[in-house]
Amino acid sequence: AQTVTQSQPEMSVQEAETVTLSCTYDTSESDYYLFWYKQPPSRQMILVIRQEAYKQQNATENRFSVNFQKAAKSFSLKISDSQLGDAAMYFCAYRSASSVVEGGSEKLVFGKGTKLTVNP
Amino acid sequence: GAVVSQHPSRVICKSGTSVKIECRSLDFQATTMFWYRQFPKQSLMLMATSNEGSKATYEQGVEKDKFLINHASLTLSTLTVTSAHPEDSSFYICSARRTGTGRYEQYFGPGTRLTVT
Repeated sequence: AQTVTQSQPEMSVQEAETVTLSCTYDTSESDYYLFWYKQPPSRQMILVIRQEAYKQQNATENRFSVNFQKAAKSFSLKISDSQLGDAAMYFCAYRSASSVVEGGSEKLVFGKGTKLTVNP
Repeated sequence: GAVVSQHPSRVICKSGTSVKIECRSLDFQATTMFWYRQFPKQSLMLMATSNEGSKATYEQGVEKDKFLINHASLTLSTLTVTSAHPEDSSFYICSARRTGTGRYEQYFGPGTRLTVT
């Protein structure tokens, strides 16, 4: 079974600075998707960024970028120019790329989350 | 596009009663929906995968008879917590996968806070 580990329960960053959130995962599959979700106090889950394992290029979405190291099974999130609105819980998640018919699973496996505080 | 709603947003019920939570995809069809449970300051735990027109697939340790899931149409899945007890109090979140698009497309509802007294 796949597992996702976020080793930083809490992180803090000064406004306008950069912070990196860590995530490691374990899988025997070669093709999969990785995600970072943001959950603000409203509890609405928001997709921040996704990475397809077969793509070597790291995904980028505006101020958010990832460092995907497939061999090391590492998937960290970098937030640049941090803003007060970035304060939230951040969850790393894994999903198999194989369909159920192919023996995979559609379910998301989440890490335990990292609470990010942004200080003004 | 790709909006998922949940109703109610919060509900309080007495111990022993049943409560139904609805999950709707408002602007797309969803063959598959997922139900998660989240305890305070914890991660999301998948309870079950709901497929339109067929029985739900429950995760290990989730009581099928207690958490009844019905996915009767391509836009609606319901979770009924039967004979609720205080330990069922939690935040329940659904997500929906848009039919016919990339396999990773999953959209989350805003969640339902259940309190059992």
